[in-house]
Amino acid sequence: DIQMTQSPSSLSASVGERVTITCRASQSINIYLNWYQQKPGKAPNLLIYAASSLQSGVPSRFSGSGSGTDFTLTISSLQPEDFATYYCQQSYITPLTFGGGTKVEIK
Amino acid sequence: EVQLVESGGGLVQPGGSLRLSCAASGFTVSNNYMSWVRQAPGKGLEWVSVIYSGGNTYYADSVKGRFTISRHNSKNTLYLQMNSLRAEDTAVYYCTRDTSTWFQSDYWGQGSLVTVSS
Repeated sequence: DIQMTQSPSSLSASVGERVTITCRASQSINIYLNWYQQKPGKAPNLLIYAASSLQSGVPSRFSGSGSGTDFTLTISSLQPEDFATYYCQQSYITPLTFGGGTKVEIK
Repeated sequence: EVQLVESGGGLVQPGGSLRLSCAASGFTVSNNYMSWVRQAPGKGLEWVSVIYSGGNTYYADSVKGRFTISRHNSKNTLYLQMNSLRAEDTAVYYCTRDTSTWFQSDYWGQGSLVTVSS
């Protein structure tokens, strides 16, 4: 199975700050990498697919990059509604696997 | 509008069975890839199973041989039959619609809680 390692597991940031979350795959997954945002008590919401494609309706302050084994999710200017947990997921091969999550908290 | 509504969760004893349903609207289940993803209390996301539009099915090792994914085309509904349930299967179960290009889950249901406990 492909292991997905996210870092950091949590971070504290202020509104307006630039935030970067990284995700590393245990083997190459091309660009089959997706990012989800989850708020407490809610279902996850797709932000980025195919490593860098912005899902319809998602604000442009979210961006993704990377290929192969190393990927990043960037929030260019953190907004109050962005405080949540973020997960990466590889969809290259079954079993699909998720990273452990990154909780973004208010500083 | 695409909607996914799960039902069938609840409390079940270890070794018992439960069937989750996911009623879809706004699209045709049989024309799409559909998955189940679960989340244990306070934990991260875990992919459980997928059924492709062609009918092929795949499972996580943790549920293989115990869970079965299926769909009812005329009811436009996805199912997850869960047998031989264990305490570690306790989780919120989400059904998702996945694309057939990059296999991302673009729509999620609200989740159904399954609690396995005596």
